[in-house]
Amino acid sequence: QVQLLQSGAEVKEPGSSVKVSCRASGGTFRLYAITWLRQAPGQGLEWMGNIIPIVGTATYAKKFQDRVTIHAEESTRSVYLELDSLRFEDTAVYYCASPPPDSSGPFDYWGQGTLITVTS
Amino acid sequence: DIVMTQSPDSLGVSLGERATINCKSSQSVLHSSRNDYLAWYQQKPGQPPKLLIYWASARVSGVPDRFSGSGSGTDFTLTISSLQAEDVAVYYCQQYYSHPPSFGPGTKVDIK
Repeated sequence: QVQLLQSGAEVKEPGSSVKVSCRASGGTFRLYAITWLRQAPGQGLEWMGNIIPIVGTATYAKKFQDRVTIHAEESTRSVYLELDSLRFEDTAVYYCASPPPDSSGPFDYWGQGTLITVTS
Repeated sequence: DIVMTQSPDSLGVSLGERATINCKSSQSVLHSSRNDYLAWYQQKPGQPPKLLIYWASARVSGVPDRFSGSGSGTDFTLTISSLQAEDVAVYYCQQYYSHPPSFGPGTKVDIK
């Protein structure tokens, strides 16, 4: 089983970029579809994109594809989310999550969440 | 993309009573394998969601048997047979039938 540990909260200004990390321990890192989702205050869950390290290429939601990058680093067993051109409405808790390895099923495993606050 | 809706938005239930949450998908999530690609999650304040149910009705190991899922195709239900204080949370359904996976808006359950 994999455990996911995310980087800490950040405060950012509009127009800047943020990079959030998700480090996996346990399990076969290369086979997990590490997924990024976000949850704005008081709102539901929004899928942003994912990457399977063994495949290497990321898939993005249409809404974010112009300003999001997800990449995996096998040496550190980490997946990174970079979001550019931040807006006030990007304020949210960002989660990494994964289904079981070799699966496109529901999300069994979750990070603890990273609060990103966009404020001037 | 598949759109998920839930009803009601919120629900107040007395301790020990039944709570019923409905979820509807904009298109069928029944796969040719005869599995419905539908999951339920529980989220408590300040915590990530926790997977409760997958394949619409399969309970995750360790989830109390008062939680049950039912339904097929486009209409699904999560039932808490006897509400306990620790069940106060927001509940989300999610389809993983097609890409991108999508969630319902959530149903808040609290004690009446």
